[in-house]
Amino acid sequence: GQSLEQPSEVTAVEGAIVQINCTYQTSGFYGLSWYQQHDGGAPTFLSYNALDGLEETGRFSSFLSRSDSYGYLLLQELQMKDSASYFCAVSLMDTGRRALTFGSGTRLQVQP
Amino acid sequence: NAGVTQTPKFRVLKTGQSMTLLCAQDMNHEYMYWYRQDPGMGLRLIHYSVGEGTTAKGEVPDGYNVSRLKKQNFLLGLESAAPSQTSVYFCASTPGHSNRNEQFFGPGTRLTVL
Repeated sequence: GQSLEQPSEVTAVEGAIVQINCTYQTSGFYGLSWYQQHDGGAPTFLSYNALDGLEETGRFSSFLSRSDSYGYLLLQELQMKDSASYFCAVSLMDTGRRALTFGSGTRLQVQP
Repeated sequence: NAGVTQTPKFRVLKTGQSMTLLCAQDMNHEYMYWYRQDPGMGLRLIHYSVGEGTTAKGEVPDGYNVSRLKKQNFLLGLESAAPSQTSVYFCASTPGHSNRNEQFFGPGTRLTVL
């Protein structure tokens, strides 16, 4: 089966930088995605890495190392609205490469 | 452009009752998915579809059935609801050709089985 591990909770202050790590054990790995979910809301897409390296989108960056089965999400210039849960998710070759297996999520609390 | 919509938003069932959740997308996406999310957990894939008329089992398919008769709709059925199926159900879709693999989620259906 597949397994993903990420920290359950992270706390940081406004304006700071936070890194959320994700390690995975899968067969047929295709790519790593990150989603944000506010309480009571639906997940929304943040980033996707299929190749090793860093992807940057505004204040958010995501990194993947396929050889280490490891990735992270970096959030810069934290704002109060960034308080949410963040999920890493892997896509696998045997599910059409697009269906996602999610981690249990990291709850980020941003403090003033 | 409504994106992905789900009906109903909330539902309470008694054990043994049946119901169908409807997901609709107006983005002409090929792929559609049903996930469930239990409190404090990540989403788990129930069933998915890679195109009209096709369905496949995901991680937790038992107790659920699906149909994709039209490209824009993906139905999730519970034939005999059980308390273990109390959850929030999310539908998602994604284009067939996308290098971002971005899934677009509906707002969710909160289901309680008593």
